[in-house]
Amino acid sequence: KAGVTQTPRYLIKTRGQQVTLSCSPISGHRSVSWYQQTPGQGLQFLFEYFSETQRNKGNFPGRFSGRQFSNSRSEMNVSTLELGDSALYLCASSLRTGSDTQYFGPGTRLTVL
Amino acid sequence: GQQVMQIPQYQHVQEGEDFTTYCNSSTTLSNIQWYKQRPGGHPVFLIQLVKSGEVKKQKRLTFQFGEAKKNSSLHITATQTTDVGTYFCAGQGMDSSYKLIFGSGTRLLVRP
Repeated sequence: KAGVTQTPRYLIKTRGQQVTLSCSPISGHRSVSWYQQTPGQGLQFLFEYFSETQRNKGNFPGRFSGRQFSNSRSEMNVSTLELGDSALYLCASSLRTGSDTQYFGPGTRLTVL
Repeated sequence: GQQVMQIPQYQHVQEGEDFTTYCNSSTTLSNIQWYKQRPGGHPVFLIQLVKSGEVKKQKRLTFQFGEAKKNSSLHITATQTTDVGTYFCAGQGMDSSYKLIFGSGTRLLVRP
């Protein structure tokens, strides 16, 4: 089975812009979770989607949003980018729920200038 | 809300020495998972513990889940340079949110 894929792998944006990140889960996995990883904050949970519905949400401002499509692929959007949004954004897929074993993608490295 | 603390933040050991990282939750956990992230890589699942007092071994790695299901540890015997990376614990609370809360991770460096 192919693993979790994320596109793009690297992204450079400027403050105020918006960005959309994409995640394709492992075939058959219905749950997709997004995490932000920064050196000082570790892995911070953003949200989880299952069957096109957001099932869980972390403590991030409304500028961070996401969605899931009928084929379980997911996108994450960040609007009005801030310098502090620079991070590695990891997507993880799991079979049924966000607490099942997480299979992580390689991540998208976002740099905000 | 539920918090998962992990110590130490960093550990620098000589190859051959043992290493232990500890994970503590503010609430009782339904289960705990451990992940390893190599430098430049992404977290990879190692193991899941579900039962109170459970101990599992994977070669030189020993995982424990506390009796109260609020803490866990990962012990590596005789570290090797291939053990380098950041080890994360992730706990699921007893509520029905199906959400994993990750610890802050322990970064292991091994001197050859």
